[in-house]
Amino acid sequence: GEDVEQSLFLSVREGDSSVINCTYTDSSSTYLYWYKQEPGAGLQLLTYIFSNMDMKQDQRLTVLLNKKDKHLSLRIADTQTGDSAIYFCAERDNAGKSTFGDGTTLTVKP
Amino acid sequence: SQTIHQWPATLVQPVGSPLSLECTVEGTSNPNLYWYRQAAGRGLQLLFYSVGIGQISSEVPQNLSASRPQDRQFILSSKKLLLSDSGFYLCAWESQKGGPGELFFGEGSRLTVL
Repeated sequence: GEDVEQSLFLSVREGDSSVINCTYTDSSSTYLYWYKQEPGAGLQLLTYIFSNMDMKQDQRLTVLLNKKDKHLSLRIADTQTGDSAIYFCAERDNAGKSTFGDGTTLTVKP
Repeated sequence: SQTIHQWPATLVQPVGSPLSLECTVEGTSNPNLYWYRQAAGRGLQLLFYSVGIGQISSEVPQNLSASRPQDRQFILSSKKLLLSDSGFYLCAWESQKGGPGELFFGEGSRLTVL
């Protein structure tokens, strides 16, 4: 089956930029997503990018997509303590099925 | 606006007991509905999805089952729980009306099987 990989942990200092990376195997991906999960809660969509785009910016968030290398990244500028959470990368194939990575736990130190 | 509700939020059940988790969606019609399980420290595993009333697709063999008795109601059940069924269960919906296909998740139900 399709696979989505991401590093499990990232720790940054408040005010620094955070970059969370993800790789995927499905060459038929249509959309790629970043979801955020706060402790004990469900996932919330942060942002998404269509597979024919290479960059999307939304306030403090920048998504970069390298379709050739099947690499997706999420950059959070000026990271705040409220950004501490688990971030999931996900891809959607052309059959409409979404596959999630295992999540990256972001810890922001004051 | 659309909302999704899951209950109960937490559940502690003995091995061999039955299970029923409920999920309802409001503010939309004919959504695709999903049940995911999130084991501790792991990602999401898709268990079931449904594109309409009475239509259930299972992604993994297990002792769980799902039903969709109404358009916006999705139920996850088990007749006899196993220890390995412990986890965080998430219901999600997706619009069938096109667009980027993002999933909207409920707040989750944490199941502990003892």
